[in-house]
Amino acid sequence: QAVLTQPSSLSASPGASASLTCTLRSGINVDTYRIYWYQQKPGSPPQYLLRYKSDSDKQQGSGVPSRFSGSKDASANAGILLISGLQSEDEADYYCMIWHSNAVVFGGGTKLTVL
Amino acid sequence: EVQLVESGGGLLQPGGSLRLSCAASGFTFSSYNVNWVRQAPGKGLEWVSFISSSSSIIYYADSVKGRFTISRDNAKNSLYLQMNSLRDEDTAVYYCARASDFDIWGQGTMVTVSS
Repeated sequence: QAVLTQPSSLSASPGASASLTCTLRSGINVDTYRIYWYQQKPGSPPQYLLRYKSDSDKQQGSGVPSRFSGSKDASANAGILLISGLQSEDEADYYCMIWHSNAVVFGGGTKLTVL
Repeated sequence: EVQLVESGGGLLQPGGSLRLSCAASGFTFSSYNVNWVRQAPGKGLEWVSFISSSSSIIYYADSVKGRFTISRDNAKNSLYLQMNSLRDEDTAVYYCARASDFDIWGQGTMVTVSS
């Protein structure tokens, strides 16, 4: 079982909200981790969006709009990236990441389609 | 402008060696940890290695341990990745990324390993 699992794809309409999940493997408690989120558009490097551990431990990337926000669902052992007011420019691949046992783990990525 | 610029990629045969470089500018390089991350064609992100600001702490992904060596020269504002015993599966775009947050990424350099 992968350390981080993301749905491979998600579709949403312009103006709507999209909730991207990043589920941690059983036995790895989401409460103890900072979850990092990155956006990658075709032909470009990833861009840092934000990190979220709790409401008192979070950081928005420089220049990242406030319609991108992080949260957690402890019952699902998952980190969540919420994108509100979807725009066509939000169509991209989104990756979550954690530091785990002196190593970095990326999720497999979610391809977000805005249509 | 805060910037990371990778170089040194190329085409080589399995078993070969290559040294990648990452030049930093626009910030105090010596104050930041840095990482290498790779992305195989059409695939997701894979973390490769981490080096602390003073080079005192180094981590590697299991997939490259014993074959790759990360280093840095703070006087030259540069990060390096020495890659030995290259395999087909090392084919990827290699990115350098700043800090434990991976908040700044370079544009990447392509490494192709093929006979």
